[in-house]
Amino acid sequence: AQKVTQAQTEISVVEKEDVTLDCVYETRDTTYYLFWYKQPPSGELVFLIRRNSFDEQNEISGRYSWNFQKSTSSFNFTITASQVVDSAVYFCALTYNAGNMLTFGGGTRLMVKP
Amino acid sequence: DVKVTQSSRYLVKRTGEKVFLECVQDMDHENMFWYRQDPGLGLRLIYFSYDVKMKEKGDIPEGYSVSREKKERFSLILESASTNQTSMYLCASSLPIDRVYGYTFGSGTRLTVV
Repeated sequence: AQKVTQAQTEISVVEKEDVTLDCVYETRDTTYYLFWYKQPPSGELVFLIRRNSFDEQNEISGRYSWNFQKSTSSFNFTITASQVVDSAVYFCALTYNAGNMLTFGGGTRLMVKP
Repeated sequence: DVKVTQSSRYLVKRTGEKVFLECVQDMDHENMFWYRQDPGLGLRLIYFSYDVKMKEKGDIPEGYSVSREKKERFSLILESASTNQTSMYLCASSLPIDRVYGYTFGSGTRLTVV
């Protein structure tokens, strides 16, 4: 069985602070895929990133960066110099099979205050 | 842009009613999914389909059924709505995992059962 845990249910920061959202996963599969999604107040989930289990390179996209560590089964997401527009619920998710059913974590609500 | 359209943004139904939630995607995706989102629980998979007339149970199928008569349309059916089915319902579509860089989600249907 797969499981994704986002221990932080809610985080509040002041604009321009850096913030890291934690994601820990469990799976018995050797090949799997990890995702991060953003859900702004409008409700629609927006895809941010996908990582394959065989590619442990960290990734940076503008103010966003992701740290994938198989040794600790973690796929953490850092926002540098946070902005009010980053306020949203962020979900980490995992899939392993061709049917690509995603297993989601419980989500982390990020509030960035001006 | 791929679009996933859910027919209703808000619905209020009475206990015992049969409820249909409709989802249409316009990019010829093979896979379609229905998730339920509840606070603190993240998104949980109800049913998914990887082809016309094919369906598979997800993690919480009880009280639900689905229909996929055409590739672009995936319907979620609540046979006899109950108050514990009050929730946000999200539809998604995707290509098979080796070609997918993320699901595309609809905007969600917030269902209230009274």
